[in-house]
Amino acid sequence: EDQVTQSPEALRLQEGESSSLNCSYTVSGLRGLFWYRQDPGKGPEFLFTLYSAGEEKEKERLKATLTKKESFLHITAPKPEDSATYLCAVQSNQAGTALIFGKGTTLSVSS
Amino acid sequence: GAGVSQSPSNKVTEKGKDVELRCDPISGHTALYWYRQSLGQGLEFLIYFQGNSAPDKSGLPSDRFSAERTGGSVSTLTIQRTQQEDSAVYLCASSRGFDRASSYEQYFGPGTRLTVT
Repeated sequence: EDQVTQSPEALRLQEGESSSLNCSYTVSGLRGLFWYRQDPGKGPEFLFTLYSAGEEKEKERLKATLTKKESFLHITAPKPEDSATYLCAVQSNQAGTALIFGKGTTLSVSS
Repeated sequence: GAGVSQSPSNKVTEKGKDVELRCDPISGHTALYWYRQSLGQGLEFLIYFQGNSAPDKSGLPSDRFSAERTGGSVSTLTIQRTQQEDSAVYLCASSRGFDRASSYEQYFGPGTRLTVT
């Protein structure tokens, strides 16, 4: 069964304190791995797509990496506006086009 | 349009009533998806449309749930005889297509918060 597990569930950082969020996945043929950001009361906002192990994508203070079993979202020198829930999802060959989501990591950055 | 829109943003209904939720995808996006997000749970896939047809209805939780899409654009998710366990945020997403070249990155709307009393 395809599965996505995110850790930690919650993360508190001081402004400027870099850290990483983890997304472990089990999937029968990875079609793509996706990172989203979700603010309270809003829909998920697309961040990155990663297709194969070794791939990396960057956007401002965020960098996503992918291995055969997990993905990391690295946050460098975070700011309070980076506070949100970060969701990881996979799309597998078995599930077709449905995204299978983890439960997310809620990040709080204090100044 | 600029993004995926959904209406209403909030819906409170009595147990046993029917509700309709609407989704307007990004213009030109051929694929449309419905998900449900319950408190403390991850996003749960419900159904997707390729054009006006729904090849995969496996995520619909019961036969009280149905969806349709017309003109390759607007979609409506209908829940009949609502139950309290149907309370959740219903999210719609759209993507340009189904292969990597045309991008299957899914862009989400703001959601409809459904509360069944």
